[in-house]
Amino acid sequence: AQSVTQLGSHVSVSEGALVLLRCNYSSSVPPYLFWYVQYPNQGLQLLLKYTSAATLVKGINGFEAEFKKSETSFHLTKPSAHMSDAAEYFCAVKRANTGNQFYFGTGTSLTVIP
Amino acid sequence: KAGVTQTPRYLIKTRGQQVTLSCSPISGHRSVSWYQQTPGQGLQFLFEYFSETQRNKGNFPGRFSGRQFSNSRSEMNVSTLELGDSALYLCASSLEAGHQETQYFGPGTRLLVL
Repeated sequence: AQSVTQLGSHVSVSEGALVLLRCNYSSSVPPYLFWYVQYPNQGLQLLLKYTSAATLVKGINGFEAEFKKSETSFHLTKPSAHMSDAAEYFCAVKRANTGNQFYFGTGTSLTVIP
Repeated sequence: KAGVTQTPRYLIKTRGQQVTLSCSPISGHRSVSWYQQTPGQGLQFLFEYFSETQRNKGNFPGRFSGRQFSNSRSEMNVSTLELGDSALYLCASSLEAGHQETQYFGPGTRLLVL
C-alpha cells in the first residue's frame, strides 16, 4: 500500500526562522508526491509536486521540497517563515494504478510566532 | 479562469435526511474527485468521475453516491444522513484522470448533521 506519514501534527516557528515540515512515503515504486496548504475555512491549494523530473522542487510562496529516495522522504522547507504561512499543510501521494486518488497524510498545523 | 466552485458552502441537515452537493470544475477539466475531511479521519477519498463515468471509489458505504454530467459538473449525494457524516466535503478537478495530473480543489461544502 502507498501512504504518507507526516511527523509532527503541530509545528511552531518564529517569524523569519526556517520552516521544516516532514513527510515520509512508503512505496515500492517511485510515487507522485504533492504538498498542499489549507487556510482556515478554505479548500486545499497546491504548493508543489514531484513527478520525477527533478529531485528539488520549487513551489509557490518560497516553499521547496526535496525528494530523497534513499530516505523515502519529501520534506517541505522554507528559509524564512512569514506570519501568512500559518496554516495546515498536507503531504499527499498518488500511485500509478489508481489514477487521481490521493492518499493524504494527517496534516501538520504550522504556527508562526511573531 | 474561474476556479472550482462548490455549492452550497454550508449546510445543516438532520439525521435521516439526504443531501446533494454540487461541484463545478475548472473550465475544460474532465476529471472530478470528491473527498471527505473530518478531524478524526482526515482527508479521505470518496470517488472520482471522468467523462461521466466513475473511475475509482473509496471505502465508503453505499449511502454515498455521485454522478457527473456531460458538462463535467458533478454532484454527490448522501442518503440517510448520520451524525458522523458531518464534515467538509471537498471537490477537486483536473484536466485528465492520470496520476500525474495536478488537481485543483474547491473551497468545500461544510455539512453539519444534527
